[in-house]
Amino acid sequence: QKEVEQDPGPLSVPEGAIVSLNCTYSNSAFQYFMWYRQYSRKGPELLMYTYSSGNKEDGRFTAQVDKSSKYISLFIRDSQPSDSATYLCAMSVGQGAQKLVFGQGTRLTINP
Amino acid sequence: ETGVTQTPRHLVMGMTNKKSLKCEQHLGHNAMYWYKQSAKKPLELMFVYSLEERVENNSVPSRFSPECPNSSHLFLHLHTLQPEDSALYLCASSQALEGGGYTFGSGTRLTVV
Repeated sequence: QKEVEQDPGPLSVPEGAIVSLNCTYSNSAFQYFMWYRQYSRKGPELLMYTYSSGNKEDGRFTAQVDKSSKYISLFIRDSQPSDSATYLCAMSVGQGAQKLVFGQGTRLTINP
Repeated sequence: ETGVTQTPRHLVMGMTNKKSLKCEQHLGHNAMYWYKQSAKKPLELMFVYSLEERVENNSVPSRFSPECPNSSHLFLHLHTLQPEDSALYLCASSQALEGGGYTFGSGTRLTVV
């Protein structure tokens, strides 16, 4: 069983739709949860960073963590064509020189 | 220059060549990482340098050799690679013992022929 499972997609939605991206994980010791966005020919960039369970909102983006279900989500409201990218979830046990464990990434396309 | 800079952006090398990838971070971070990104696979951690200690993934073949001369520079030395080593190689940095995730470079696209 993979430590982190993420549906690779591809996912295609119309502009303005609400997008839901998800990851499940098996290691209950994970405490720090991240979402990265990766455009074509670029490195991943950090979108959201959360600790433990709960919600975090930043503009059109909301990250949710449910540790009891070992499930994390990223919601994108009012999606824009510029949101088209691959979204990677990542998580770690500690916050030292932590070994981040990544999901496979979900390729998202927002159609105008 | 800001952030994390990787050179070269693209590299084509034969299986008998020796080449090096370079990474430089301008963020004052004290930990640096090499990751391998292959199609349809999660990012794979290869090496970590943190506070002058090296941690490596034991599954990385010895044909990959890292070097970290100081906290701002990281190299990945390559020799006698195989075609399956073709991938995007990403460098990242972070502040060890603090939160905040990694900052990645744009990567080096490596093709082994």
